Amino acid sequence: EPEVTQTPSHQVTQMGQEVILRCVPISNHLYFYWYRQILGQKVEFLVSFYNNEISEKSEIFDDQFSVERPDGSNFTLKIRSTKLEDSAMYFCASSEDRGNYGYTFGSGTRLTVV
Amino acid sequence: DQQVKQNSPSLSVQEGRISILNCDYTNSMFDYFLWYKKYPAEGPTFLISISSIKDKNEDGRFTVFLNKSAKHLSLHIVPSQPGDSAVYFCAAFHSGNTPLVFGKGTRLSVIA
Repeated sequence: EPEVTQTPSHQVTQMGQEVILRCVPISNHLYFYWYRQILGQKVEFLVSFYNNEISEKSEIFDDQFSVERPDGSNFTLKIRSTKLEDSAMYFCASSEDRGNYGYTFGSGTRLTVV
Repeated sequence: DQQVKQNSPSLSVQEGRISILNCDYTNSMFDYFLWYKKYPAEGPTFLISISSIKDKNEDGRFTVFLNKSAKHLSLHIVPSQPGDSAVYFCAAFHSGNTPLVFGKGTRLSVIA
């Protein structure tokens, strides 16, 4: 069964450093998303991406965040200068359409900012 | 602003019995509702969905009921199995291309 692949599974970084979280969505999917879940809290939407541009972003997705689809397969989330409160599980997801049949999520990257 | 609410953080059910997970929403523009299941160290996995034109959708042991007037949906699992123990997230979106909005989740424990 097709999967969304995320790397790394766990990233530890120092406050102020830049991190790039990588995702390989399902190949025939057109819509891509990043969500995050701070420990003990709900899964929160960060950004959606379609047709090589951001289609929607939340208040969380400020200037510190950016997304890119540098080639035909990868979808990356960059955090320019990490803060302690960026520590969370980051989930990438993709969908064939706007989500009527559900997004497919990756297993997540646990980001720990120290 | 919690548009999707799951007021029960946890639920324990005996194996073989029915599990009922509840979800309320506030945004009347939502027209698709989904349930996701999440195991530790894994991403959410899509379980079942329902559009706002229906009031029930069934898939094997899983049934989702939608009450639009009450802005309430529920997931029924019958019979419950120990492998169903996970966190269940209710999610919703508006097909005019708003992203999925998740509830906080309910941790289901099915006791053998």
